[in-house]
Amino acid sequence: SYELTQPPSVSVSPGQTAGITCSGDNLGDRFAYWYQQKPGQSPVLVIYQDNKRPSGIPERFSGSNSGNTATLTISGTQAMDEADYYCQAWDRSTVVFGGGTSLTVL
Amino acid sequence: EVQLVESGGGLVQPGGSLRLSCEASGFTFTYYHMHWVRQAAGEGLEWVSTIDAAGDTYYSGSVKGRFTISRENAKDSLYLQMNSLRAGDTAVYYCTRESDGNAFDIWGQGTMVTVSS
Repeated sequence: SYELTQPPSVSVSPGQTAGITCSGDNLGDRFAYWYQQKPGQSPVLVIYQDNKRPSGIPERFSGSNSGNTATLTISGTQAMDEADYYCQAWDRSTVVFGGGTSLTVL
Repeated sequence: EVQLVESGGGLVQPGGSLRLSCEASGFTFTYYHMHWVRQAAGEGLEWVSTIDAAGDTYYSGSVKGRFTISRENAKDSLYLQMNSLRAGDTAVYYCTRESDGNAFDIWGQGTMVTVSS
C-alpha cells in the first residue's frame, strides 16, 4: 500500500519561513493536499492539488510537489500557524494521509 | 452556511455495534462524494470509508467487512454502520466532503466513539 512520510516536528521562529515535507514513492506523479489541525479542532484544508489555496487561506501558505517530495511552505510564519499539518494523496480510490507534522513557532 | 454535523458516537463494548450519522446543509449533498475519517487520541488522521455520488463504496483494510457506509440523499445524510467493534476503533470520527478538486474541503466537528468494557 502507498505510504506518505512526514517529519514528526518542525520548529520555526516567528516571521521566518517554515517548510514541511511529505515523502512518497513518485509522489510528484499525483496531487498532494495539505490540512492544518489545531488542538481540539477539525482539520482545515490549506493546499489542494499541490499548490492551490482555498478561499480564505492566507497567501503565506504555498505548496509544491516534485519527484518523491511535496512541500508545504509557510512564509512569514505567525504564532497562529502553530498546529499539526497533514499531507494527503490518493492511491487509486483510497485515501492516504501522512503521519502529521507538529509545527512549533518559537 | 455549508455545514456537516455528526452524531451517534458513544461508549460501546467490544464486539458491539454503533451507527454514526452526518447531516449536511448548505450545499447540494447529492452531487458530492462523502467520506469518513477517524483520529485516535494523540494520533494522526486515518481514512475509513468513501461513498461516491453514484453510491459506490470503498473501505480501508482495517474496517472492511465490519463497517458499512451509506447515504440517504433525500435526507442530506451520510451514515456509518460499525459492527464487531474493537478497542482499536476508538477515535473521533469525522464526516468530510470531497470537493471538485478531490480535496476534503468541509469537515464536521467529529463524534467520539469509545470501545471499552
